[in-house]
Amino acid sequence: DAGVIQSPRHEVTEMGQEVTLRCKPISGHNSLFWYRQTMMRGLELLIYFNNNVPIDDSGMPEDRFSAKMPNASFSTLKIQPSEPRDSAVYFCASSFYRGYNEKLFFGSGTQLSVL
Amino acid sequence: GENVEQHPSTLSVQEGDSAVIKCTYSDSASNYFPWYKQELGKRPQLIIDIRSNVGEKKDQRIAVTLNKTAKHFSLHITETQPEDSAVYFCAASWEMNSGGYQKVTFGTGTKLQVIP
Repeated sequence: DAGVIQSPRHEVTEMGQEVTLRCKPISGHNSLFWYRQTMMRGLELLIYFNNNVPIDDSGMPEDRFSAKMPNASFSTLKIQPSEPRDSAVYFCASSFYRGYNEKLFFGSGTQLSVL
Repeated sequence: GENVEQHPSTLSVQEGDSAVIKCTYSDSASNYFPWYKQELGKRPQLIIDIRSNVGEKKDQRIAVTLNKTAKHFSLHITETQPEDSAVYFCAASWEMNSGGYQKVTFGTGTKLQVIP
């Protein structure tokens, strides 16, 4: 398996533009997480999907952020409009939850810079 | 919600010495405690984990201890090597909705530097 695949690896955009980050989880995994990593705040959970359904989006900063998981093999995180304070590394992670906690497999991340 | 505190934020040790990183958690419902290693510019990867029914687990040079009563757990690395230099994250995980889903909260990370 190729692991969790994220795209793009790097994104540079101007304030106000729409940004879409993409994630393909490991085949067979039923849980998907979006995290944001910054020096100041570490790894913050943005949203968590289980069987393609958003379970916990309490970490989504504000209405500018939205996430979807239309099927088991694809998820997007969208920021519209983007702001400089959104600059961070965004990680997608997946796991196979089978009634007890399991380890997460992380993608390579998307380094987002909003100018 | 769960709160995980991690100390120290930075740690420098001489090659061959031991390193210890400590974490505390707030929610007694947490029952799974993984540790992730993140090398510079790379993704976090699991190095060891422990479940709440176990007090200690060891894998070669790394070990994790758990004290459920005090709600703290620690990572121990012995005979450190330069390739151990990385950021280490602890995490606490528990099931939501009577086992329907899992939730994971990470500590703020410890930057470990092993000096040759």
